[in-house]
Amino acid sequence: AQSVTQPDIHITVSEGASLELRCNYSYGATPYLFWYVQSPGQGLQLLLKYFSGDTLVQGIKGFEAEFKRSQSSFNLRKPSVHWSDAAEYFCAVGTPSGNTPLVFGKGTRLSVIA
Amino acid sequence: GAGVSQSPSNKVTEKGKDVELRCDPISGHTALYWYRQSLGQGLEFLIYFQGNSAPDKSGLPSDRFSAERTGGSVSTLTIQRTQQEDSAVYLCASSSIGAARNTIYFGEGSWLTVV
Repeated sequence: AQSVTQPDIHITVSEGASLELRCNYSYGATPYLFWYVQSPGQGLQLLLKYFSGDTLVQGIKGFEAEFKRSQSSFNLRKPSVHWSDAAEYFCAVGTPSGNTPLVFGKGTRLSVIA
Repeated sequence: GAGVSQSPSNKVTEKGKDVELRCDPISGHTALYWYRQSLGQGLEFLIYFQGNSAPDKSGLPSDRFSAERTGGSVSTLTIQRTQQEDSAVYLCASSSIGAARNTIYFGEGSWLTVV
């Protein structure tokens, strides 16, 4: 069965600084990978996804993520963080076998300071 | 509808009462998922529907929890004899088949508080 680890529970960055949120997955084949963001009191919004092809994927709100098979990682990055990026970020893994439930990491809470 | 719709958005219930949570998926989405998110926790998978059938019920925490889906659309999650540990946000999501498969879209959740 697949699993996801987000090693950082909470990260604080200054506005304008760069950001990298870590995600490691466990799955025997090439997985489908996702990043979701959850603002306070809101549902989860899809930021970006990787199915195949180019290992660097672009998402909404200026986010990108890179799939590294050798490291079983799918880290999320943003060159310059805005105060509105403060939220909870979840990495998730799915399988290519069809519509099966995604497995989520426990999330990383991002705080942004002035 | 345009997105996944859940109701009620907030529910406060007394311990021991039954509650029903409703999910209306995105039109045309064949797969529907229920997750639970407790305070400070990640997303816990509960149950998944493909059409009206539930091939995976492995995440339901006890026999007090049940779910059904009718007409391949609306789903209801029922919690009987609620306990305080059932307090959480219950998130529903849906996905389609084909090129967009496995991309699931979430509703805003039903916040359940058991007092």
